[in-house]
Amino acid sequence: DAGVIQSPRHEVTEMGQEVTLRCKPISGHNSLFWYRQTMMRGLELLIYFNNNVPIDDSGMPEDRFSAKMPNASFSTLKIQPSEPRDSAVYFCASATRGPPGNTIYFGEGSWLTVV
Amino acid sequence: QKEVEQDPGPLSVPEGAIVSLNCTYSNSAFQYFMWYRQYSRKGPELLMYTYSSGNKEDGRFTAQVDKSSKYISLFIRDSQPSDSATYLCAMSGVQFYFGTGTSLTVIP
Repeated sequence: DAGVIQSPRHEVTEMGQEVTLRCKPISGHNSLFWYRQTMMRGLELLIYFNNNVPIDDSGMPEDRFSAKMPNASFSTLKIQPSEPRDSAVYFCASATRGPPGNTIYFGEGSWLTVV
Repeated sequence: QKEVEQDPGPLSVPEGAIVSLNCTYSNSAFQYFMWYRQYSRKGPELLMYTYSSGNKEDGRFTAQVDKSSKYISLFIRDSQPSDSATYLCAMSGVQFYFGTGTSLTVIP
């Protein structure tokens, strides 16, 4: 089975540019999560969708970040404008249903560097 | 207080050793407990998944949950160099909550 698919795997961009990260969840999973991971803060939940509807976006750091899930098989995380402090690895994850039950499966991540 | 506390290590052991990784948590409502393994430059990979208290064994790995103490453990028997990775505990309540990860190196 195909796992969670993320693109791009690596992105280097200049400060001020728009960055779009993409995610295809596991087929049949109806919950989708975007996480950011840094050495300092570990895994941070940015936003969580259930049945394509954003349920909790309290982790989105600021208005520069936005996420969409137009259908069950695709989601985007956009940063506009990007800043050097956004440099991190961003993970998309999916689950058959959200918390408290079941568990989540991660993609390989998108490594973002903003210079 | 953080929802989940995990010692970041790093932990370095010789090949063949028994490894014990631990997490504590504060929310007694957590019912699902997970361990993930993350290799360098890779995404977290689900290793073990348990519901409520008790032990679960899978090959060289044993996950243990003590809800009365709010304490979970992952034991790795006969550790191998290929076990060198970061191990994250996770649990679910209203959300999924992750530890910061323990870095493990198994020395041949």
